[in-house]
This record gives sequence, structure tokens and C-alpha cells, in this order.
Amino acid sequence: EVQLVQSGAEVKKPGESLKISCKGSGYSFTNYWIGWVRQMPGKGLEWMGIIYPGDSDARYNPSFQGQITMSVDKSISTAYLQWSSLKASDTAMYYCARAPSVAGAPPYYFDYWGQGTLITVSS
Amino acid sequence: IQLTQSPSSLSASVGDRVTITCRASQGISNYLAWYQQKPGKAPKLLIYVASTLQSGVPSRFSGSGSGTDFTLTISSLQPEDFATYYCQQVTSYPQTFGQGTKLEIK
Repeated sequence: EVQLVQSGAEVKKPGESLKISCKGSGYSFTNYWIGWVRQMPGKGLEWMGIIYPGDSDARYNPSFQGQITMSVDKSISTAYLQWSSLKASDTAMYYCARAPSVAGAPPYYFDYWGQGTLITVSS
Repeated sequence: IQLTQSPSSLSASVGDRVTITCRASQGISNYLAWYQQKPGKAPKLLIYVASTLQSGVPSRFSGSGSGTDFTLTISSLQPEDFATYYCQQVTSYPQTFGQGTKLEIK
């Protein structure tokens, strides 16, 4: 069974750093992209970026570039999303999702999703 | 690429046929996916490459379109279909989502 299990909810202060995780199981972790999607309270889905664990090829949404860093540890089938300095506006639910690789093209869809990690940033 | 969904919200009854539209700011061929999200849950893939039904998704869901105009149709609404629906273009990065359509019970 394919599963993406995300780390638990976090409460942080502005300016603090944070790294959240997404552990894949039940499939070949290095052969599928992992994407990250933000959902602010009561709002829609925002595509943040995507990373290919096989070679760590990463694509960022320009709206998030410089604010976040995506990474992977293939040895433990885990993807990470990190911030060096959180802002109150980073308060949101963050989802990781799996995307099948397509040769020579961006992936076509997210077929499995994690349960989400709620991040609250407040002084 | 921007995606505009219409309507933003919709009230309908069990058994109704409903259609949600997604318009892209430029042509995206058939590189469009549709997702369903229920409150407090992660999104669920319904349809990809505009019209291919994801495994396990009921056949009352269908998608069509190409270029800039796409539709998601639910042929006969069931109680479990009341949710928010999102389109996503996957032709180029960033792979943007539409703003969502909230489907509510009338």
C-alpha cells in the first residue's frame, strides 16, 4: 500500500527555523516526484514546488523561491520542506504528494497525498 | 499559467447533474487534472490528462476539454460528492491550481 506519512503539527515563533518531513512507503521512492502544496486557512491549494528523489532535481514556484528549501534523504525514503526564518504568513496546512515521473515532461498529476502538516507561526 | 474556475460556489441537490468549468490563461493541450477535497482531508485525484478517470473513482465523474477550456461533470450527485473541487494545469512549472469550486447541498 502506497503511503505518505507527514510529521506532526508544529507551533513556532516568527524568525524560527523549521523542517517538516514526508516519508514514503509501499513504492519505489526514487522513481516518483514528491511535491509540496500549501493551503492557508480557509483558502485554496498552492503549488510550492516538486523534487525528484532519484537525483534531487528540484523545481520551485517563483512565489516561494528563496523562502523554502526542498530536500530528500533517499536512504530513508523521506522528503523534507524547510524554512530558515518563519513568518506569521507561513501559517498553513502543508501537504506532500506523489507524482509519477513522465520522461521528458513535468509529472501529470499527484496520485497519493500525505495527511498534511499544520504549521502555526505566532508570537 | 492562471486557471479560473467557475462557478466559485454551487448549490445542488442529490441526483442533479453538475458541471464545473476551468479556463486556462493560455493553451495547455490536455494537461489538466481535477481533485476533490473534503473538509479536513487531503485532496483526492479524480481525473488526469483532462478525461482519464483515476482508478477507483466512480464513473459518474467525467472530464473533457482541450486547449484552454475544460469541464468536470458529475452526472448524478451523491451525498458524498459535496466537497471543493480544484483543477490543476500540469503542462509547465509552476503547476498551478484553480481557486476551487465549493459544491454545497441545496
